[in-house]
Amino acid sequence: DSGVTQTPKHLITATGQRVTLRCSPRSGDLSVYWYQQSLDQGLQFLIQYYNGEERAKGNILERFSAQQFPDLHSELNLSSLELGDSALYFCASSVGGSHPYGTDTQYFGPGTRLTVL
Amino acid sequence: LAKTTQPISMDSYEGQEVNITCSHNNIATNDYITWYQQFPSQGPRFIIQGYKTKVTNEVASLFIPADRKSSTLSLPRVSLSDTAVYYCLVGGRNAGNMLTFGGGTRLMVKP
Repeated sequence: DSGVTQTPKHLITATGQRVTLRCSPRSGDLSVYWYQQSLDQGLQFLIQYYNGEERAKGNILERFSAQQFPDLHSELNLSSLELGDSALYFCASSVGGSHPYGTDTQYFGPGTRLTVL
Repeated sequence: LAKTTQPISMDSYEGQEVNITCSHNNIATNDYITWYQQFPSQGPRFIIQGYKTKVTNEVASLFIPADRKSSTLSLPRVSLSDTAVYYCLVGGRNAGNMLTFGGGTRLMVKP
């Protein structure tokens, strides 16, 4: 158990709909990352937040948005859903900031499996 | 960000040592090398990280030659439960932590 929680575990919805995925980071972690993994595909980095502020953006579609709240949990909003948005969505958290040695290890949650019908 | 290249897949047998090599020719001075393991339908799990020479922990060893243009993850005496995808990532502590996951190496351990 990484300490990162994600809800819901599974989500089935229809094209054109909007959904919200939720992530609670490990206690003490300030950074939250969102990734998308389609069937048999690698992990695509979507976006990163650090202490409530957007820090880095990857291949995130304009139909997708995210935010990190004062209590550090994060939500990923997916709108105007298309069949191709069906995927596993992972949230990861890390302590954040700079480190004198090594990089900031990311701890991944169990994921939310989104199915768009 | 440094690009990584690793084999798409590898097969091994239980009890064998498995070495997965990753090449990262344009690694930067500040970059560290990190390996993650991912089981089907689960989030990736941190295995090991290193900067140079050799790092060992309870599950794996990481060998990094002096030029740091490649690295080798070594899994001693694998079991069936080590069947997974292994990702090599390169990134620096000041890179915004935007680690890029490549395709990974799909390791299949056979009985």
